[in-house]
Amino acid sequence: GQNIDQPTEMTATEGAIVQINCTYQTSGFNGLFWYQQHAGEAPTFLSYNVLDGLEEKGRFSSFLSRSKGYSYLLLKELQMKDSASYLCAVRDTNTDKLIFGTGTRLQVFP
Amino acid sequence: EAGVAQSPRYKIIEKRQSVAFWCNPISGHATLYWYQQILGQGPKLLIQFQNNGVVDDSQLPKDRFSAERLKGVDSTLKIQPAKLEDSAVYLCASSLERGREQYFGPGTRLTVT
Repeated sequence: GQNIDQPTEMTATEGAIVQINCTYQTSGFNGLFWYQQHAGEAPTFLSYNVLDGLEEKGRFSSFLSRSKGYSYLLLKELQMKDSASYLCAVRDTNTDKLIFGTGTRLQVFP
Repeated sequence: EAGVAQSPRYKIIEKRQSVAFWCNPISGHATLYWYQQILGQGPKLLIQFQNNGVVDDSQLPKDRFSAERLKGVDSTLKIQPAKLEDSAVYLCASSLERGREQYFGPGTRLTVT
């Protein structure tokens, strides 16, 4: 089966650091994606991990541990515009399709 | 580079009516996806095309949903007849090839009353 878990909601303060976790169980794994989705808008691609370790891209970093079925998205120097849902998606190697989690709604307060 | 285009952006219909959505992917993208996103959930893949062939339609309710991508570019998704539970945002996405990052269109918000 396939299962992806993320916290439903998180809050943080402007300028702070927040870590959004994602755990997954899939029959076959071939990469993990993070997407950002502002309310009423389409998801936009943030990062892709296929090997273990940390990928850094500006204020955003994404980490993957395949042995633990675990990833996190790290957002630094939070800005108000970072208030959005963050979707974790796993690519299933058997079907080659993306399986999305339900998303984590992040609210950044001043 | 133009993004993924979708129309209409919003649609309200009564149950048992029909509706069609249109998608134009990013130029040169061979793979096209249709997703259904119900409020508070992540997108769920309905159908995936590689050029004009169907790769995966295992989660498409084929008794009422149909999709085509005749010339390997534009695609249409149709629902006939609609049910209340079809109320959702229908997202179209494209990627250069299978497995690469997907780029999403703005979506069509469907309300079935």
